[in-house]
Amino acid sequence: SQQGEEDPQALSIQEGENATMNCSYKTSINNLQWYRQNSGRGLVHLILIRSNEREKHSGRLRVTLDTSKKSSSLLITASRAADTASYFCATALGQNFVFGPGTRLSVLP
Amino acid sequence: DADVTQTPRNRITKTGKRIMLECSQTKGHDRMYWYRQDPGLGLRLIYYSFDVKDINKGEISDGYSVSRQAQAKFSLSLESAIPNQTALYFCATSDFIGNEQFFGPGTRLTVL
Repeated sequence: SQQGEEDPQALSIQEGENATMNCSYKTSINNLQWYRQNSGRGLVHLILIRSNEREKHSGRLRVTLDTSKKSSSLLITASRAADTASYFCATALGQNFVFGPGTRLSVLP
Repeated sequence: DADVTQTPRNRITKTGKRIMLECSQTKGHDRMYWYRQDPGLGLRLIYYSFDVKDINKGEISDGYSVSRQAQAKFSLSLESAIPNQTALYFCATSDFIGNEQFFGPGTRLTVL
């Protein structure tokens, strides 16, 4: 089983709506990161939240972390067609990161 | 210019052939990683290196080998390619453990 798993696996919304995706993990972490991947391309780092932080903002992104529930959520507000991509959470396990299988977001114009 | 480059970007080869995928970075990072991505499985770590003299196996290293030629270069080899190694391969770098990783554009490898 995976250290980090995103939910839902796929999400389809209309432009302008908010998109929320969740990540659950199993072990204690130092930080959790979210990445975006446009189809067939490399991953791009979005935001890092440390274990002693509960919420973090970056532009239209809001990330929360609940270490008691071992979960994180990524909220994209006022979504745009350009936000269509796969989103991955990554948690540190030992000296490396473990990536979940991702949430595939489709934003329809 | 891109910070992390990978060559080739696409490769089709036959079963049993030896293949090398190359990665170069201009970030000045010590840590480099090779991942493979299969549909629905996210990224899985193949090998990682924390400096030129330090090479470590990841989750799925069988059938692969690596070489860290310099701080900026990290190559992945498939000694005898097989069809289930068909995947998207990514190289990544980071400066410290737990910090942001910077990814290359990927190599799409098809083994027939």
